[in-house]
Amino acid sequence: DIQLTQSPSFLSASVGDRVTITCRASQDIRTYLVWYQQEPGKAPKLLISTASTLQNGVPSRFSGSGSGTDFSLKISSLQPEDSATYYCQQLHSYTYTFGQGTKLEIK
Amino acid sequence: EVQLVQSGAEVKKPGESLGISCEASGYSFTSYWIAWVRQMPGKGLEWMGIIYPGDSDIRYTPSFQGQVTISADKSINTAYLQWSSLRASDTAIYYCARLKTDGADYWGQGTLVTVSS
Repeated sequence: DIQLTQSPSFLSASVGDRVTITCRASQDIRTYLVWYQQEPGKAPKLLISTASTLQNGVPSRFSGSGSGTDFSLKISSLQPEDSATYYCQQLHSYTYTFGQGTKLEIK
Repeated sequence: EVQLVQSGAEVKKPGESLGISCEASGYSFTSYWIAWVRQMPGKGLEWMGIIYPGDSDIRYTPSFQGQVTISADKSINTAYLQWSSLRASDTAIYYCARLKTDGADYWGQGTLVTVSS
């Protein structure tokens, strides 16, 4: 099975900061990587597909990049509503594993 | 409008059976995979398995194989997740989601299952 390792597990930043979350795959998954945002008490929301394609309605401050084994999710200017846990998921090989999550706290 | 509406919260005792449901609307139910995802209290997301309602093709994550049963009734656009004998460790929120090739784009609201004696 393909393992995904996210870092950091916890991140605390201020409004307006630029933050980066990374996701490393245990083998080459090309660009079969997606990112989800899960706000407390809510279902996950698909943010980015195929490593870098922003979903409709997702603010442009979010961006994704990477291919192969190394990927990142960037938020260019943090907003209070970005407080959430972020997960990567690989869709290269079944089972479609998730990363362990990165909890983002707004100071 | 695409919607996935899950059945309500359940409180069960260890050893009891349970089925929860996920009713889809607003799209062709037989044309997309439905996934089930577990989230244990305070923990991350775990991929349980998927079903293609068009032909009932089912794939389980190995750790969930034999522990749960995934099914679907395409006549009523509904997917199911079932347990024959619950354990306390099954206590979690369970989500269904519509799976496309580029991600799970619509999610149900989640069903909280509590298993306690």
